[in-house]
Amino acid sequence: GAVVSQHPSRVICKSGTSVKIECRSLDFQATTMFWYRQFPKKSLMLMATSNEGSKATYEQGVEKDKFLINHASLTLSTLTVTSAHPEDSSFYICSATLAEYSYNEQFFGPGTRLTVL
Amino acid sequence: GQNIDQPTEMTATEGAIVQINCTYQTSGFNGLFWYQQHAGEAPTFLSYNVLDGLEEKGRFSSFLSRSKGYSYLLLKELQMKDSASYLCASQDSNYQLIWGAGTKLIIKP
Repeated sequence: GAVVSQHPSRVICKSGTSVKIECRSLDFQATTMFWYRQFPKKSLMLMATSNEGSKATYEQGVEKDKFLINHASLTLSTLTVTSAHPEDSSFYICSATLAEYSYNEQFFGPGTRLTVL
Repeated sequence: GQNIDQPTEMTATEGAIVQINCTYQTSGFNGLFWYQQHAGEAPTFLSYNVLDGLEEKGRFSSFLSRSKGYSYLLLKELQMKDSASYLCASQDSNYQLIWGAGTKLIIKP
């Protein structure tokens, strides 16, 4: 099956620093990658959709200058949380879709737990 | 508008059957997904329905009624490891997912 990895799985950083999270599709080329944020006991909140080689499409209310997304290749997308603050602490999950699947099932990475002190 | 509703929490007994319901209102409906999510982990795919009817996959079955905007996930022969949150998500014509808040399923011995 399609495998998506994320790195790091867990990160603790000081307030004001930037954190980069990588999302990789290991055995397939992903046409589109999605970045989600999940608060405790809440559903997934889509932050942005990114297609390789083009600018990410951000959901309403998500600051594009705060959450920088780069989709440099068909197998790698990165999310950088700039000048992180404690309220940015959350579980960040990426997913990727395959063009060959007729219903574009999303394959999820294992998630990254970000804690900002 | 886009809206997904599912119960917040359900409790069932090991070995029993449980049905988790989901109602949705989605513009340009393009399918209904069910995902399982254990605490602290990413969701894992369970099922996808785009046509009306029941799809069975082992202990798990998923049903869809497009005219009613309704789906359910049926879990049989419940095991303790089935304790998790179950997320319902509808897909729109742009292939974007609209997520429910999830149903926390508690399995008791």
